[in-house]
Amino acid sequence: RKEVEQDPGPFNVPEGATVAFNCTYSNSASQSFFWYRQDCRKEPKLLMSVYSSGNEDGRFTAQLNRASQYISLLIRDSKLSDSATYLCVVNGAPRGSNYKLTFGKGTLLTVNP
Amino acid sequence: NAGVTQTPKFQVLKTGQSMTLQCAQDMNHEYMSWYRQDPGMGLRLIHYSVGAGITDQGEVPNGYNVSRSTTEDFPLRLLSAAPSQTSVYFCASSSTGKGSNQPQHFGDGTRLSIL
Repeated sequence: RKEVEQDPGPFNVPEGATVAFNCTYSNSASQSFFWYRQDCRKEPKLLMSVYSSGNEDGRFTAQLNRASQYISLLIRDSKLSDSATYLCVVNGAPRGSNYKLTFGKGTLLTVNP
Repeated sequence: NAGVTQTPKFQVLKTGQSMTLQCAQDMNHEYMSWYRQDPGMGLRLIHYSVGAGITDQGEVPNGYNVSRSTTEDFPLRLLSAAPSQTSVYFCASSSTGKGSNQPQHFGDGTRLSIL
């Protein structure tokens, strides 16, 4: 299994749709998990951290299943501005450390009018 | 608020040339790292540093050197450029934030082509 594997995409959805991104990771000792967003020819930016109990930020909901080593991101009521590549990121280092970040290849989302 | 500054933004080199990619951050972050991003490969860690005077190798360190003489600066050196090093390079920094995991702040990237 690859260290961090995401849906290859791309996803094309109409405005207002709900879209789900899936990610699996191989290192069962991984301590922290993130979703980053990367716009075309720009740098990655943190979208949200993923907590064990699941967490929500507006239209975005992240879930973590440690037993299955699975992470998800749900975007509700998608906007044109949500068009970007979504990167699943896993930190295999001990809690409080930032090295050992492993990025998935990303899933491209295009939201159409 | 400058954040993470990378220079240059674009560079074209000939095979065998050497150059240094500069990275500076003004947030007093302990942790800095260099990634390369290639189509279909995602971001891969080249080298990282957890503080001044401390560096370590990432996933793809061959052909690259780094040093960390100050907290602010983390230059990446290509000793003898090869076409396989054509890529987009990102520098990132974060607080080590003991007890929590801090977000990575990325620079704008350097687009490097080796002919």
